[in-house]
Amino acid sequence: AQKVTQAQTEISVVEKEDVTLDCVYETRDTTYYLFWYKQPPSGELVFLIRRNSFDEQNEISGRYSWNFQKSTSSFNFTITASQVVDSAVYFCALLGSGSRLTFGEGTQLTVNP
Amino acid sequence: EAGVVQSPRYKIIEKKQPVAFWCNPISGHNTLYWYLQNLGQGPELLIRYENEEAVDDSQLPKDRFSAERLKGVDSTLKIQPAELGDSAVYLCASSLGPPDTQYFGPGTRLTVL
Repeated sequence: AQKVTQAQTEISVVEKEDVTLDCVYETRDTTYYLFWYKQPPSGELVFLIRRNSFDEQNEISGRYSWNFQKSTSSFNFTITASQVVDSAVYFCALLGSGSRLTFGEGTQLTVNP
Repeated sequence: EAGVVQSPRYKIIEKKQPVAFWCNPISGHNTLYWYLQNLGQGPELLIRYENEEAVDDSQLPKDRFSAERLKGVDSTLKIQPAELGDSAVYLCASSLGPPDTQYFGPGTRLTVL
């Protein structure tokens, strides 16, 4: 069975602060894929990043960065210099051998001006 | 390139009424997914199509839910009769096939009174 845990239900920061969203996963598969999606108030799930289990290289895309650590089964997401437009619900998800995408419960991020 | 299209965006019905949701996937995506998202939770898979074939419908409540994907492109998800507990957001996604990234539509927010 697969499981994704996002322990932070809600995070509130002030604009320009850095913020890290935690994601811990469980799977027995040796090959799997991890994703982050953003869900703004409009409701659409926006794809942010995908990593496979054999690539632990951290990734940076503008103000976004991701830290993948197999040793701790974590795939954390950091937003540097947060902006009001970053306010959304962020979901971490896992795709294993069963081809079913398992989502965490999401973290509601609020960036205040 | 056009994204996943869903309609309607919002639907309000009375309990015991039927309702249908429509989805048009990204062009060239053979795999189509329907998800259910309850308030404050991550999406959960209802059904996955590979072309016209439903390859994973184990989570679909077949007593009242049905889906079809004629000609392997557009898909319709139906609920008959609707119950109060069906109030949720119904998301459609498409991909080139597992483990490719799933891209989501804007969703249909259903309210059952």
